[in-house]
Amino acid sequence: NAGVTQTPKFQVLKTGQSMTLQCAQDMNHEYMSWYRQDPGMGLRLIHYSVGAGITDQGEVPNGYNVSRSTTEDFPLRLLSAAPSQTSVYFCASTSSTNTEAFFGQGTRLTVV
Amino acid sequence: ILNVEQSPQSLHVQEGDSTNFTCSFPSSNFYALHWYRWETAKSPEALFVMTLNGDEKKKGRISATLNTKEGYSYLYIKGSQPEDSATYLCARTANAGGTSYGKLTFGQGTILTVHP
Repeated sequence: NAGVTQTPKFQVLKTGQSMTLQCAQDMNHEYMSWYRQDPGMGLRLIHYSVGAGITDQGEVPNGYNVSRSTTEDFPLRLLSAAPSQTSVYFCASTSSTNTEAFFGQGTRLTVV
Repeated sequence: ILNVEQSPQSLHVQEGDSTNFTCSFPSSNFYALHWYRWETAKSPEALFVMTLNGDEKKKGRISATLNTKEGYSYLYIKGSQPEDSATYLCARTANAGGTSYGKLTFGQGTILTVHP
């Protein structure tokens, strides 16, 4: 059972470039989320989804887009990368019975 | 308390010491309190999820308590070992009509280093 698969693990972008962080889960979880983790701060919620076709903003959504066309996949898109988006990104999934969240391996993104 | 706050920010202990961390959170509209263990270059892994006031959970040498009325949780590690070195994250979910939608609000974490 793969759990939550997140790619890539590392990425360097130039300012203004776009990219998509991929996230897939095979646990049939309804809820999926994206977080960013910055030094000295806790993980902060970027966007979340409660099911296919339903997404909403979290605490720090600016500069990011998401979509959820299937239960399994929840990609995060950076349309025009900025140095302020240098961070470690985590995707997570949770069942609707609201037990623990399962996290992907993380993506370390550097924008230069 | 408006945010989830953890203390201390970092902790250095000797192998065999017992230690504890604190998580404070808004008590209103509470749904669940989560503890995660996060090792460098790995994914955060759940230790406990607690929902009821007075909950106490234990996994090996690690245990946790929950007070939802005053908004705090303690994580205890008995007889710390070097492999316990990690960042310990506390997160709260709010009640959104009987669910949380998986939306976690994290504290900044406590970095534990256990010296041999």
